[in-house]
Amino acid sequence: GAVVSQHPSRVICKSGTSVKIECRSLDFQATTMFWYRQFPKQSLMLMATSNEGSKATYEQGVEKDKFLINHASLTLSTLTVTSAHPEDSSFYICSAFRELGETQYFGPGTRLLVL
Amino acid sequence: AQSVAQPEDQVNVAEGNPLTVKCTYSVSGNPYLFWYVQYPNRGLQFLLKYITGDNLVKGSYGFEAEFNKSQTSFHLKKPSALVSDSALYFCAVRDIWQAGTALIFGKGTTLSVSS
Repeated sequence: GAVVSQHPSRVICKSGTSVKIECRSLDFQATTMFWYRQFPKQSLMLMATSNEGSKATYEQGVEKDKFLINHASLTLSTLTVTSAHPEDSSFYICSAFRELGETQYFGPGTRLLVL
Repeated sequence: AQSVAQPEDQVNVAEGNPLTVKCTYSVSGNPYLFWYVQYPNRGLQFLLKYITGDNLVKGSYGFEAEFNKSQTSFHLKKPSALVSDSALYFCAVRDIWQAGTALIFGKGTTLSVSS
């Protein structure tokens, strides 16, 4: 099956610092990747759609200057949480869209804790 | 607008008994439908999908789902539940004409299988 990795799996940082999360599709190329945020015992909230070689499309209410997304290659998208604050603490999950089969495959998630 | 409803927050079933996790959807066109499973602090694992063809779809770990267009439903089923099936299950949908767009998720249903 299709494999998507995320790094790091967990990160703890101080308030005001920036954190970068990487999402890689390991065995397929993904023109489109997605970033979701999940609060405890809740559903996934789509933050943005990342298209290789172009600007990301952000969902309403998501600050594009705070959550920087870069999709520089067909196998890598990054999410940078800039000037993180405690309210940014959450579980961030990326997803890569594989055109063959038209299915989204998800990474294992990154637990961010901002102190 | 697309939406997914999972009417049950939790489903409890005894090991060996059949299980059903309900899902109804709303799309403007024809749907692509998916089920994913999430274990604690993990990403989502793809279980099965309906795109076209037979209404009964078989997926991973013995799960299956039936697409019912008239009832706009896509319930997840398994003939005999295992304790290891205990997890959070998400139904998701997108319109077939919106290739590459993000899936819309239901709120999730926690399945608890008792021994």
